[in-house]
Amino acid sequence: EAGVAQSPRYKIIEKRQSVAFWCNPISGHATLYWYQQILGQGPKLLIQFQNNGVVDDSQLPKDRFSAERLKGVDSTLKIQPAKLEDSAVYLCASSFGRTTDTQYFGPGTRLTVL
Amino acid sequence: AQKVTQAQTEISVVEKEDVTLDCVYETRDTTYYLFWYKQPPSGELVFLIRRNSFDEQNEISGRYSWNFQKSTSSFNFTITASQVVDSAVYFCALSLMDSNYQLIWGAGTKLIIKP
Repeated sequence: EAGVAQSPRYKIIEKRQSVAFWCNPISGHATLYWYQQILGQGPKLLIQFQNNGVVDDSQLPKDRFSAERLKGVDSTLKIQPAKLEDSAVYLCASSFGRTTDTQYFGPGTRLTVL
Repeated sequence: AQKVTQAQTEISVVEKEDVTLDCVYETRDTTYYLFWYKQPPSGELVFLIRRNSFDEQNEISGRYSWNFQKSTSSFNFTITASQVVDSAVYFCALSLMDSNYQLIWGAGTKLIIKP
């Protein structure tokens, strides 16, 4: 069974530019998560989708971050405009459906903002 | 307060030694789940184990074992006969109903296995 796919794996941009990340969850997984992980820290949840609806986006900086999951499968996370402090690894995870289910993570996208 | 404490920031051992990673959690919930994830240098978080609060049986999987003790609110992880490939950051996490079962993460323990 294929795992969670993410692209790109690495991205370097200048501050104030825009960037988008893509995630394809494990087939059949209804719940999808985006996390931000700053070096040396644990992951921080940005947004949680159940199918194509948002369950929790309370920690998403909505002035610059947006995310969508239009057909309940793939998802994109966008940053516009990027700031230096957005340099981090962006992890996507998925779980089968219930909030108690185990989350499985993708390889992440390492973003460097210069 | 609900939190997870991994007091060991970094551990370094020589290959083939046994090593234990500590995890202490805080919650007043009676129903909760505990997890361990491994994050190798490649960056991907790899799921290792999940335990619910009603199952205090210890678990063994090959060289890995986990000791869950509700009396001390601990969920420790032991690697027996460590190998260089075990080098990674290990995270302990807690999920509970009060937080909509979102993962509450420890700060991680960086494990270095020297050849």
